[in-house]
Amino acid sequence: GESVGLHLPTLSVQEGDNSIINCAYSNSASDYFIWYKQESGKGPQFIIDIRSNMDKRQGQRVTVLLNKTVKHLSLQIAATQPGDSAVYFCAAPFAGNMLTFGGGTRLMVKP
Amino acid sequence: DTGVSQNPRHKITKRGQNVTFRCDPISEHNRLYWYRQTLGQGPEFLTYFQNEAQLEKSRLLSDRFSAERPKGSFSTLEIQRTEQGDSAMYLCASSYLGTQETQYFGPGTRLLVL
Repeated sequence: GESVGLHLPTLSVQEGDNSIINCAYSNSASDYFIWYKQESGKGPQFIIDIRSNMDKRQGQRVTVLLNKTVKHLSLQIAATQPGDSAVYFCAAPFAGNMLTFGGGTRLMVKP
Repeated sequence: DTGVSQNPRHKITKRGQNVTFRCDPISEHNRLYWYRQTLGQGPEFLTYFQNEAQLEKSRLLSDRFSAERPKGSFSTLEIQRTEQGDSAMYLCASSYLGTQETQYFGPGTRLLVL
């Protein structure tokens, strides 16, 4: 079946450095891909999404890259701050409207 | 705050009891979703509504689970005869039917079955 998965369960970065969180998916049938941020005890918070006909999309301090050839998605966070510490999920609606989530990467920002 | 709201935020119950959770979506959103999330995992889809119609249900949704959205606005998720394995975070999300439907999540209801 369809799946998304993150490459690393935990990522530790120094405050001010750039962070890169990677995700791979197994099915090419999704129209778009989404990144969510989840802080402890809270629901997932939408960060940025990208349609399947795009390779790159930029937001405020975040960039999502999509490589459909190798079925790979990445989230880049510039100048990582302590408030960026959270679990990050990639997700995609592979079957209808239900989102399939990856297992999440915990980002830890060291002061 | 016009985001998705969920009540209660926490629920502790004894095995065998029934529980009901409520979700209020973003007001103009006509789609509403329920997900379940266990510790260390990503959310898993349970079911979704378009207006008052329940259009899709996951195999995870056993016959002890029932969801309603009677007037196409708020939704309830009921779990009957709770089991310890039901302990999880229950998340609600809503979206607006359109060309790209971003799902916005509520804060979740954390259920602990003793």
